[in-house]
Amino acid sequence: DAMVIQNPRYQVTQFGKPVTLSCSQTLNHNVMYWYQQKSSQAPKLLFHYYDKDFNNEADTPDNFQSRRPNTSFCFLDIRSPGLGDAAMYLCATSRDRSSGRGEQFFGPGTRLTVL
Amino acid sequence: KNQVEQSPQSLIILEGKNCTLQCNYTVSPFSNLRWYKQDTGRGPVSLTIMTFSENTKSNGRYTATLDADTKQSSLHITASQLSDSASYICVVQTSGTYKYIFGTGTRLKVLA
Repeated sequence: DAMVIQNPRYQVTQFGKPVTLSCSQTLNHNVMYWYQQKSSQAPKLLFHYYDKDFNNEADTPDNFQSRRPNTSFCFLDIRSPGLGDAAMYLCATSRDRSSGRGEQFFGPGTRLTVL
Repeated sequence: KNQVEQSPQSLIILEGKNCTLQCNYTVSPFSNLRWYKQDTGRGPVSLTIMTFSENTKSNGRYTATLDADTKQSSLHITASQLSDSASYICVVQTSGTYKYIFGTGTRLKVLA
């Protein structure tokens, strides 16, 4: 089935130790998004790629970086995780950004724990 | 400021009962409104999407309504099941941009 896959589902890292989260999609969608979701809160958009064009949200900390080597894969790098970065990280895709073709498909998420 | 507010914050109902969740938004310019179901520890799954001209949209036991004049939407769940226990998130997309404005969700618990 076409889908959005995130690996790993659970990630434990140490304070300050770099970590990379992975997202892949078989939908061949142009847009890939990374969201951070803390407990009982709405997902917060960190950044998105429109094809190879990277779009950072103004309030996304520099500690968060992303790479999209090809259409199918997108990575979230956290350079020096802090305790406040513990959260669920959601990857989503959409065919386009316009309203008619912007339906988002979410992956199952990666839950990050920082010790 | 673009905002999406949902009520109630949480809800407990008995299996088989109906319930209605509310979403009020102040997003402009409006493009579409979506309802997602998010199971604990999982990513959101789309239930319905409505554009400006649509008043109602159904997906099985889920029926969403939209009043673009009052900027209100509701999600009605009929004959609830234990598997309906989840968070339900209302998301509004602005017109012409990629911006998705998320509500904080309603946590629904269905009891046997």
